[in-house]
Parts: sequence; structure tokens; C-alpha cells
Amino acid sequence: GNSVTQMEGPVTLSEEAFLTINCTYTATGYPSLFWYVQYPGEGLQLLLKATKADDKGSNKGFEATYRKETTSFHLEKGSVQVSDSAVYFCALSGGVTSGSRLTFGEGTQLTVNP
Amino acid sequence: DAGVTQSPTHLIKTRGQHVTLRCSPISGHKSVSWYQQVLGQGPQFIFQYYEKEERGRGNFPDRFSARQFPNYSSELNVNALLLGDSALYLCASSTAGTGISYEQYFGPGTRLTVT
Repeated sequence: GNSVTQMEGPVTLSEEAFLTINCTYTATGYPSLFWYVQYPGEGLQLLLKATKADDKGSNKGFEATYRKETTSFHLEKGSVQVSDSAVYFCALSGGVTSGSRLTFGEGTQLTVNP
Repeated sequence: DAGVTQSPTHLIKTRGQHVTLRCSPISGHKSVSWYQQVLGQGPQFIFQYYEKEERGRGNFPDRFSARQFPNYSSELNVNALLLGDSALYLCASSTAGTGISYEQYFGPGTRLTVT
């Protein structure tokens, strides 16, 4: 079945530092890949997505490239802010039997200090 | 525009009781999915409904059931509650039922505590 593996957290950075959160996946077929963000006490917000190999999703300074050869979708940001502190989830949908249901990773807690 | 709404926000129940959670999708969205998020973990898929029909079910026991109404709102029911059912229950809506690239928009969730 489908699965998503995220780098273990939590991650603590200083403001303006470079961020990378690793995500790898296992899926049959050609899944779509997503990054969601969850702020304290809130639901999930879609941050960015990519629907085919070599696509780059981007939003609010965050980027991730769909790498089929390495089955990865790593999240990056060049300069983080305190307001980026949240939990980040990598997710996929698709595959032979899974359709549009989302399969999530365990999440990575990011804390950005001023 | 109103986003996905869920009710209630918080709920405390006793083991063995039954609970009903409600979700209203974004206007124009015909698909609703339910996810369970246990503290410190990623959400797990429970159900998807599209046009009032079940389109997918995750690995959850038969104590979990759901339905979708003609106005596309949805209910999630859980019978014989266990302590392990304590979680944040998330509802998500999207415009279509089977397209894998369609974005899903999440509500704020219902926090269920079973004592």
C-alpha cells in the first residue's frame, strides 16, 4: 500500500535560517504529492502540491520538487520566519487502489526562534 | 466564502457511548472525507463520500460509520467508544470524488475525548 516517511523531528531553527524537511514515499502508479501545514489548534492547510514527476510546487516561499527517481518530495524554504512555526505534513494521493484518499506522514514539528 | 465547518468543536464522552460528528463542505463541493488524527501522528483516512455514496473506507472497525446528505453535508458516527478513539476528527471537502490531484480543504476539526 501507499506510505509516506518524513524526517524525524522536532526541528528548531533561528529566524532567517534555511529549512529542509525530507519526505519520501512508496506508491504504485503515479501519485500526486502534497505538503500540508497545521498551526496550533487548527485544521490542515494545503501549502503546495505537485501532480507529476519533476513538477515544482511553491507557495509563500516554500518549494518542493516531485522526484520520481528518488521517490522524494522534500520541502525547502530559504529564510524561515517565526510565523512558520507549525507542524508540516507530507501526503500523497493516488495509486492503483487508493484513489483520492490522502496518506500522510507522521508530521514534522518546526519551531523558529527570533 | 465559508470554508469547511465542523461541529461540535470539542466533545467529551464516556467509554461505551455513541457520538455523532457533523461536517458542512465548502459550497459547491460534492465530496467529503473524514480523517482521524491521534495526538502526535498524521491523519488517518476513515471514509470518503461523493454524491451521497461511499467511495472509500480506511482500516477502521465497523463501529465507525458515516453518511452524506442531499445537501452534501456529512455525519460521522462512532459506536461503543473506546479510550483509543480520543483524537481530532477532521473533515475535508473537494470538488470531485476520484481525481487524485483534486485539492482537499480541511475543516478545523472536532476534538473528541473519551474518558
